Amino acid sequence: NAGVMQNPRHLVRRRGQEARLRCSPVKGHSHVYWYRQLPEEGLKFMVYLQKENIIDESGMPKERFSAEFPKEGPSILRIQQVVRGDSAAYFCASSPNWDSFSGNTIYFGEGSWLTVV
Amino acid sequence: AQRVTQPEKLLSVFKGAPVELKCNYSYSGSPELFWYVQYSRQRLQLLLRHISRESIKGFTADLNKGETSFHLKKPFAQEEDSAMYYCALRIQGAQKLVFGQGTRLTINP
Repeated sequence: NAGVMQNPRHLVRRRGQEARLRCSPVKGHSHVYWYRQLPEEGLKFMVYLQKENIIDESGMPKERFSAEFPKEGPSILRIQQVVRGDSAAYFCASSPNWDSFSGNTIYFGEGSWLTVV
Repeated sequence: AQRVTQPEKLLSVFKGAPVELKCNYSYSGSPELFWYVQYSRQRLQLLLRHISRESIKGFTADLNKGETSFHLKKPFAQEEDSAMYYCALRIQGAQKLVFGQGTRLTINP
């Protein structure tokens, strides 16, 4: 069981470019979560997705950010026209069902570090 | 609004000494609290959940609703305990966690 896989682990983008971060959940998990960690801060919830559906995007910035979790393939977090303030670590987590926190079945990936220059 | 505060960014103790990582929360609902650990840029791992009242790797944490705290304790620190520790609060009825800023624990030999 490979666990949650995120790639790339490190990504450098120039201001104005697009960044795409991928997350492959644990095999059999249909729920994916994205968190962002800005320098010197804790992880902040961004979005919660199930296959082909966005369930909760209350933590997503209103512009330039989007997320998807297609029927086939990894979940993608897309940041358009990146700015310096987007530089952060982006963590993905997955779980097999809705109420996984209490059941200890939510798993985090190792994170993707985005640097905008 | 819900908030988790870990007042110490850095904590350094000697091997064999007791360690306590502080966590305070602010939440109007019924709190569900967790401690996560991250070793040296590895993935975040669940360490403890308050509802299970378990002891993992010698660590314990007790929810004190009166003081709105969920401090993590270990009586005798070991070098392998050096890591980042995050306290987190689950929003009731939602699939999201509110994290504290984290405490970097260093155990000196």
